[in-house]
Amino acid sequence: DIQMTQSPSSLPASLGDRVTITCRASQDIGNYLRWFQQKPGKSPRLMIYGATNLAAGVPSRFSGSRSGSDYSLTISSLESEDMADYYCLQSKESPFTFGAGTKLELK
Amino acid sequence: EVQLVESGGGLVKPGSSLKLSCVASGFTFSSYGMHWIRQAPKKGLEWIALIYYDSSNKYYADSVKGRFTISRDNSKNTLYLEMNSLRSEDTAMYYCAKAAFAYWGQGTLVTVSS
Repeated sequence: DIQMTQSPSSLPASLGDRVTITCRASQDIGNYLRWFQQKPGKSPRLMIYGATNLAAGVPSRFSGSRSGSDYSLTISSLESEDMADYYCLQSKESPFTFGAGTKLELK
Repeated sequence: EVQLVESGGGLVKPGSSLKLSCVASGFTFSSYGMHWIRQAPKKGLEWIALIYYDSSNKYYADSVKGRFTISRDNSKNTLYLEMNSLRSEDTAMYYCAKAAFAYWGQGTLVTVSS
């Protein structure tokens, strides 16, 4: 099975900061990588698909990138509404696997 | 507007069975694969099953293989998850999601406890 190693598990940050969350794939997944945002008590929301494509309605301060087997989600200037948990997901092959998650919180 | 509404969760004893449903609307259900994903309390997301649009292929996470069965009824726009031999570690919120994960239901809570 493909393992997705996500870091950091917790990310204290201040409003206006540029923040980056990373997932490393244990095998080649091409660009079959999605990022999700989840707020307490809510269903996950798709933010990025195909590693770099912004999902519909997602603010442009969010972006996705890839460097080899490392995939990153970057928020260019943190806003209060961005405080949430973030997960990556590989959908290259079954079983699909999520990263363990990153809790983005105010410093 | 795409809507996915799960139901069927509840409190059950270890070893028992439960069948979840996910009713879809706002899109041509019979044209899309569907997923089940779960989230244990205070834990991360776990993908558990995928079914193709025509039920021709089904895939499962190792943690549920042989105990859970994903199915669908395209005439009823409904996705199912039949869960057998339930364990305490199956306690979670269960979500259904449309093929590319752009749409999720609100979830249904399954609690396995004696």
